[in-house]
Amino acid sequence: IRMTQSPSSFSASPGDRVTITCRASQSVSSYLAWYQQKPGKAPKLLIYATSTLQSGVPSRFSGSGYGTDFTLTISCLQSEDFATYYCQQYYTYPRTFGQGTEVEIK
Amino acid sequence: EVQLVESGGGLVQSGGSLRLSCAASGFTFSSHWMSWVRQAPGKGLEWVANIKQSGSEQYYVDSVKGRFTISRDNAKNALYLQMSSLRADDTAFYYCARGKDTVTPGYVDLWGRGSLVTVSS
Repeated sequence: IRMTQSPSSFSASPGDRVTITCRASQSVSSYLAWYQQKPGKAPKLLIYATSTLQSGVPSRFSGSGYGTDFTLTISCLQSEDFATYYCQQYYTYPRTFGQGTEVEIK
Repeated sequence: EVQLVESGGGLVQSGGSLRLSCAASGFTFSSHWMSWVRQAPGKGLEWVANIKQSGSEQYYVDSVKGRFTISRDNAKNALYLQMSSLRADDTAFYYCARGKDTVTPGYVDLWGRGSLVTVSS
């Protein structure tokens, strides 16, 4: 299953509401996770099962969708949120990631 | 402390072999699916393989099937990735990662810091 994120990168300002889209080439039901990665660091799990927030993740992060179309929303962008975000399906093997969306400071 | 620590990376010639190890601590290793995920320098994430708690099931991305073998030793709290017939496009940071859901494997909630494998042609 091919996962396609859009946009690949964009600039935003602290306080902005931002949305990242992830589209699957076929249905993955609700088996979708989101990760955040900062330069030189390992990824961090943000959301799994499309919309369940991982423990310790701020509530400004939310996820939605089903089937082939999913979104990650950050309601009020903070300075620590500037990073690259990846979606990943775990509906079938091989597990596949999107190409990533880099969120840069405007 | 709950952590995963990879070791065994390095420089290897094309066609060569390498074994990565991952030492787990601070949690019940034998209760979790475990995975390897890689990332070529400056590129995105690629899932490589995972293994069931007992070691009885393993799954691989097509590009490494027949060349890589994932295994584990629950008595030693260790995960391994034996890599052979290495190619230049295997060059990447290799992350050891813990599956969060013990029943539905696939997403991971704990990552190591990564081990760099460089394959020279």
